[in-house]
Amino acid sequence: QKEVEQNSGPLSVPEGAIASLNCTYSDRGSQSFFWYRQYSGKSPELIMSIYSNGDKEDGRFTAQLNKASQYVSLLIRDSQPSDSATYLCAVNPGAGSYQLTFGKGTKLSVIP
Amino acid sequence: DTAVSQTPKYLVTQMGNDKSIKCEQNLGHDTMYWYKQDSKKFLKIMFSYNNKELIINETVPNRFSPKSPDKAHLNLHINSLELGDSAVYFCASSTTSGSPYNEQFFGPGTRLTVL
Repeated sequence: QKEVEQNSGPLSVPEGAIASLNCTYSDRGSQSFFWYRQYSGKSPELIMSIYSNGDKEDGRFTAQLNKASQYVSLLIRDSQPSDSATYLCAVNPGAGSYQLTFGKGTKLSVIP
Repeated sequence: DTAVSQTPKYLVTQMGNDKSIKCEQNLGHDTMYWYKQDSKKFLKIMFSYNNKELIINETVPNRFSPKSPDKAHLNLHINSLELGDSAVYFCASSTTSGSPYNEQFFGPGTRLTVL
């Protein structure tokens, strides 16, 4: 059974701080990794994709991947109240696979 | 607007009824999905179609039947609705050509309430 684990939170950070969200996965052969943001009552929105070990930056967001440790993280710099949402980690097993396995999400609250 | 769209947005119905949810994407994608998100917010794949062919069929009751008339549409028909079917159902799409990485884009969701 392929699993994706996240701390459910809530994770509370003050405005302007760095929020760090973590995710581990069980399938060592997994190839691609995604972070989705989901506001309450809304649909998941893709915010970051990462496929290679190391860091990938996009604006205030940095995704970090360590395949040896089966670990992927999302850093949000200069957190804003509008970043308050549930963040879902999703993992694709391999090239050619259509499957995404989602974690249960981490709820982030950014306190003004 | 290029997007994944779903109808209806809300669906309230009685136990035992049959209902359908429709999904359309104009992103030019070749793969579409149905997900169920329960009250604990866990998002779980139900079905996936690639170019109108069923490729993922997770363990869901056979009261749920997906239909894909073409690669831009994927509908979900549910027979004999039960209380436990109450959830938010999301449609999503992705492309398998040009990228091996399967970035999926979600529709706005259909909140189904069974009374």
